[in-house]
Amino acid sequence: KAGVTQTPRYLIKTRGQQVTLSCSPISGHRSVSWYQQTPGQGLQFLFEYFSETQRNKGNFPGRFSGRQFSNSRSEMNVSTLELGDSALYLCASNLAGGYTGELFFGEGSRLTVL
Amino acid sequence: GENVEQHPSTLSVQEGDSAVIKCTYSDSASNYFPWYKQELGKRPQLIIDIRSNVGEKKDQRIAVTLNKTAKHFSLHITETQPEDSAVYFCAASSPSGSARQLTFGSGTQLTVLP
Repeated sequence: KAGVTQTPRYLIKTRGQQVTLSCSPISGHRSVSWYQQTPGQGLQFLFEYFSETQRNKGNFPGRFSGRQFSNSRSEMNVSTLELGDSALYLCASNLAGGYTGELFFGEGSRLTVL
Repeated sequence: GENVEQHPSTLSVQEGDSAVIKCTYSDSASNYFPWYKQELGKRPQLIIDIRSNVGEKKDQRIAVTLNKTAKHFSLHITETQPEDSAVYFCAASSPSGSARQLTFGSGTQLTVLP
């Protein structure tokens, strides 16, 4: 079966702009989580969506938001971009959430903010 | 919330030697502890996990041990090979409101020298 697909893979934005990233989970998976990965900081949890509802949110400012559609596809949006938002954004899907099973990660969207 | 600390941040071993990566967690309610491997430029992938009702789990050359009393768990890789070179992340699943959240450590860059 197809894996987790993220688009776009690479993008460059300037400070103050906004960006929308997309994630298509594995078919049948209802949970989608988003993580920010920066060198030395590991994987920082952004939020988790399950059946179109945000179930959990990490410690990120309100400029970071997301949503999930009825087909489980998810988008995350970052408004008013700052230089520090440059990172690899990974999404991961999971059959039912709850974080007691394997997360399947996408290849990520690498965002560069100039 | 949960806090996961991972050590060391970098580790170099000779091919054939063993490697040990250690993690500590803060929330005694955490009950699931996965380890992910991320090769350069690739997505993180689950390599082994352990639940809180088990003290040790082994899969070929890799093993994970859990000490609930001390709140720490470790990854052991024996007979290391060059293809083991990667960044390894530990994680802990803890309660967060009505759901659970997976908190990752900051990662260990393992280099296996030929």
